[in-house]
Amino acid sequence: SAVISQKPSRDICQRGTSLTIQCQVDSQVTMMFWYRQQPGQSLTLIATANQGSEATYESGFVIDKFPISRPNLTFSTLTVSNMSPEDSSIYLCSVRTSSDAGELFFGEGSRLTVL
Amino acid sequence: GQNIDQPTEMTATEGAIVQINCTYQTSGFNGLFWYQQHAGEAPTFLSYNVLDGLEEKGRFSSFLSRSKGYSYLLLKELQMKDSASYLCAGLDSNYQLIWGAGTKLIIKP
Repeated sequence: SAVISQKPSRDICQRGTSLTIQCQVDSQVTMMFWYRQQPGQSLTLIATANQGSEATYESGFVIDKFPISRPNLTFSTLTVSNMSPEDSSIYLCSVRTSSDAGELFFGEGSRLTVL
Repeated sequence: GQNIDQPTEMTATEGAIVQINCTYQTSGFNGLFWYQQHAGEAPTFLSYNVLDGLEEKGRFSSFLSRSKGYSYLLLKELQMKDSASYLCAGLDSNYQLIWGAGTKLIIKP
């Protein structure tokens, strides 16, 4: 298993600003992912955070809007840039500890409200 | 395209049994997950099926039929704390998870 700490747990942000979410895992993990969950909806994968290289983004998500860092195997950040009210959502860090078919573990999530 | 279908909402009575169905279409198949998500919390893992049949784990069981592209989550002896959303997710040939929209389960006394 893996214990994942995310911060901030929640924040209220002004339109046009940027916020960085941090994700810390208690062990080295191969795969780290960033998801978004908008109110009442399921999970949407934003990107896979790759250690030492650029993240792999899903369709509809771009690096300028959601820059991601992953300096080592236990830590990653997601920045939500130039925020608008449509970015109000829960952002979840998740990890897979072993094989490709292994279960995902999730952080507690970061609930962002953009005014 | 890839798709996961599950009912939006279900209601059941405390102490009863409920079955939440999920049908999937994925590009290749490497298994199916069920997650539980309480309101305001992160999803937590319930089960993983990759072979046909029923996997039982306490009050929760999960079934898979690969030929039918179908799975269900069976919850027995329902408790009020089982009120949550239940997410079905298929793992495709690239080991990418395809998520359903979730089924909100409401338990009534």
